[in-house]
Amino acid sequence: RKEVEQDPGPFNVPEGATVAFNCTYSNSASQSFFWYRQDCRKEPKLLMSVYSSGNEDGRFTAQLNRASQYISLLIRDSKLSDSATYLCVVNGGYGNKLVFGAGTILRVKS
Amino acid sequence: SAVISQKPSRDICQRGTSLTIQCQVDSQVTMMFWYRQQPGQSLTLIATANQGSEATYESGFVIDKFPISRPNLTFSTLTVSNMSPEDSSIYLCSVVGGRAVGADTQYFGPGTRLTVL
Repeated sequence: RKEVEQDPGPFNVPEGATVAFNCTYSNSASQSFFWYRQDCRKEPKLLMSVYSSGNEDGRFTAQLNRASQYISLLIRDSKLSDSATYLCVVNGGYGNKLVFGAGTILRVKS
Repeated sequence: SAVISQKPSRDICQRGTSLTIQCQVDSQVTMMFWYRQQPGQSLTLIATANQGSEATYESGFVIDKFPISRPNLTFSTLTVSNMSPEDSSIYLCSVVGGRAVGADTQYFGPGTRLTVL
């Protein structure tokens, strides 16, 4: 079983749609959780950290369920510019070692 | 956040040769890491670059193949040795910790796209 699992997609959605990505992780000792965004041929960039209480940044909402070892990302009112690969990332414990999911591809179409 | 640069941005190399990739940060950082991203895949951690001591390698990666240096808190190099076509990949450095970078958030350099013929 992979340490971090994501639905690879692609998710093809129209502009304005709401889309949700899910991610599960296997290491119950994980302490920090993130969503990164990666555009084609670019480096990953931090989209948002994920906190236990859930957090929101504009159109983006992240949720963490430690009991189920599950992380989600909700994007509301999708824009064309949201098209990218979204990486679920978990800090595996000590030493700031990150474990990356394989990514979920989002394509927003007009 | 810190500004991270990598050199070269891309290269095409012959098999059997070696390439050294540089990662430079514009401020001191606590930790530096090297990742590999093969075509269509996600990122895999190669090693943690330790300042003043030997790097810490992940399972499947060895020092003879991927020697790493980190002479100070702003600079690191990764060498891909005795290259084969299977080494064709994007190599990324990342940093965490320090004044300009959060304690638990990693930021990535732009990557080096390597093609081995």
